[in-house]
Amino acid sequence: GAGVSQSPSNKVTEKGKDVELRCDPISGHTALYWYRQRLGQGLEFLIYFQGNSAPDKSGLPSDRFSAERTGESVSTLTIQRTQQEDSAVYLCASNPGAAGNTIYFGEGSWLTVV
Amino acid sequence: DQQVKQNSPSLSVQEGRISILNCDYTNSMFDYFLWYKKYPAEGPTFLISISSIKDKNEDGRFTVFLNKSAKHLSLHIVPSQPGDSAVYFCAASGLGSARQLTFGSGTQLTVLP
Repeated sequence: GAGVSQSPSNKVTEKGKDVELRCDPISGHTALYWYRQRLGQGLEFLIYFQGNSAPDKSGLPSDRFSAERTGESVSTLTIQRTQQEDSAVYLCASNPGAAGNTIYFGEGSWLTVV
Repeated sequence: DQQVKQNSPSLSVQEGRISILNCDYTNSMFDYFLWYKKYPAEGPTFLISISSIKDKNEDGRFTVFLNKSAKHLSLHIVPSQPGDSAVYFCAASGLGSARQLTFGSGTQLTVLP
């Protein structure tokens, strides 16, 4: 597609439920990132996928968070047993992988845990 | 410990004047710097970048200055326009290490008409 696509754009869930967020990167981009931004805070790195290499999971805040990516296509970020502090906008981004460090963001999935 | 710091959470400027957004970093291994702009309810969009071999990069109304010895960079917008009102994020990485992109906390710029 023309840009990074994320779904859902908005999600309200009850505390304790699981949520899945989807990201469709720019076609041909081998690198894919998940970030989140909680209210009043900066962008926080979560996880990075590069081609078929092992993902860099160093930013995941707890074992309730996991992400998968099939090849160089769609990625899913899963949050299990959601807590109120998980409320944030979850941003996906992609990058061609070899040509510089500029990454291109989707519009985000706004998660509210009530 | 924040490796990229934007110490001003907000800035207000009159239309037509210069906006100067500042960013400091602590990691001497950073050698590539970017600015992103974010409107409410949208994802960040890339604005301008600079590598450490330069001290200035200009693109239209936007200029980024890098002072490596002070570990400081700034974004100048001149003349400022109301449409520039947004949150501006500074980001830094080691060249070729995109996974290490580290963001500052952002500065909300408001350009007053």
